[in-house]
Amino acid sequence: AQSVAQPEDQVNVAEGNPLTVKCTYSVSGNPYLFWYVQYPNRGLQFLLKYITGDNLVKGSYGFEAEFNKSQTSFHLKKPSALVSDSALYFCAVDTGTASKLTFGTGTRLQVTL
Amino acid sequence: DAGVIQSPRHEVTEMGQEVTLRCKPISGHNSLFWYRQTMMRGLELLIYFNNNVPIDDSGMPEDRFSAKMPNASFSTLKIQPSEPRDSAVYFCASSLKRGLGELFFGEGSRLTVL
Repeated sequence: AQSVAQPEDQVNVAEGNPLTVKCTYSVSGNPYLFWYVQYPNRGLQFLLKYITGDNLVKGSYGFEAEFNKSQTSFHLKKPSALVSDSALYFCAVDTGTASKLTFGTGTRLQVTL
Repeated sequence: DAGVIQSPRHEVTEMGQEVTLRCKPISGHNSLFWYRQTMMRGLELLIYFNNNVPIDDSGMPEDRFSAKMPNASFSTLKIQPSEPRDSAVYFCASSLKRGLGELFFGEGSRLTVL
């Protein structure tokens, strides 16, 4: 069975500082990894994905994520946080064959002035 | 494109009543997913369709839940009879390419069962 762990319920960061939202995964086979963001009372929005290739993936709104196979991690990063980045972030994994995205429990990012 | 359209956005009903949630996927997308989000259980996949055919309904909680996709542009999720523990936000999502494509989510239907 595939699973995703997001160890932090909430991450607090000051605007302008770098941010990291952590994600580790467990799958049998090669992972397809995704990050989604959810703003209040909205559906989830796709941010970025890793399927194959370069371990550093760049996505929307200046976010990027690094795939680390040895540590089974796919942490989300941004060099300089904005207050508008405050939202709920979900990591998700799939193996590509099952087409069943398994989501983590989500990490609430709070960016303050 | 209008995106994935869900209705109703909010539904309040009494225990025992039938609830029908509706979804219109993005035109041209051939995979459709129903998710449920609660504080306790997070985001759960209930069922997904590929080319209007149900592929995996192992996430459907029990027989009170049923989903249909009569054509490529419409799907329903029905709960009959509804119970208070069914209170949640139900999301519909569609994707263009099964497995590799990102999901496009609707705004969700917030269900409250009293």
